[in-house]
Amino acid sequence: KAGVTQTPRYLIKTRGQQVTLSCSPISGHRSVSWYQQTPGQGLQFLFEYFSETQRNKGNFPGRFSGRQFSNSRSEMNVSTLELGDSALYLCASSLDPSGPTDTQYFGPGTRLTVL
Amino acid sequence: AQSVTQLDSHVSVSEGTPVLLRCNYSSSYSPSLFWYVQHPNKGLQLLLKYTSAATLVKGINGFEAEFKKSETSFHLTKPSAHMSDAAEYFCVVSGSGNTGKLIFGQGTTLQVKP
Repeated sequence: KAGVTQTPRYLIKTRGQQVTLSCSPISGHRSVSWYQQTPGQGLQFLFEYFSETQRNKGNFPGRFSGRQFSNSRSEMNVSTLELGDSALYLCASSLDPSGPTDTQYFGPGTRLTVL
Repeated sequence: AQSVTQLDSHVSVSEGTPVLLRCNYSSSYSPSLFWYVQHPNKGLQLLLKYTSAATLVKGINGFEAEFKKSETSFHLTKPSAHMSDAAEYFCVVSGSGNTGKLIFGQGTTLQVKP
């Protein structure tokens, strides 16, 4: 079974631009979560989608948004990019983490650099 | 609120010697705990998870972890380190009411010397 895929793998943008990242979950997985990883803040939860609905959201500004499609693929969008948005963005899929025992499987990440 | 503290930011061992990566957690209810590993420029790979079935959890690549409720710890061990174990390791907690949200420790970098 194919793993979680993320596109693109690398991205360079300038301040003020917007960016869209894509995540395709493992086949059959209906939940997608997004995380931001930076050297200073570590790994932080952005949001989680299940059946096209955002069920949980982390403490990030409204410039960070996402959506999920009927085939469970997900996109996240960052508008008005700032230098501090430079990070590795990871998505993870799971069957349904409505219970805490569910396991999230991570993609390789998208490395975003904001100049 | 839940939290995870990894007690060492960097651990260095010689190849063939035991590995111990320490993790303490805080949770108001019975947590699910995980260890993930991240190799350079790669995503996160699940090593093992604890879900209250057994306190000693065996994972991939010879790793195991013991859940100790009295000490609120979930330390990761391996009897004999291999060069390929050099990576960053994350202790992670999740809990009910936080769908899809994992809370990560700050990570421990494991260096393996030949």
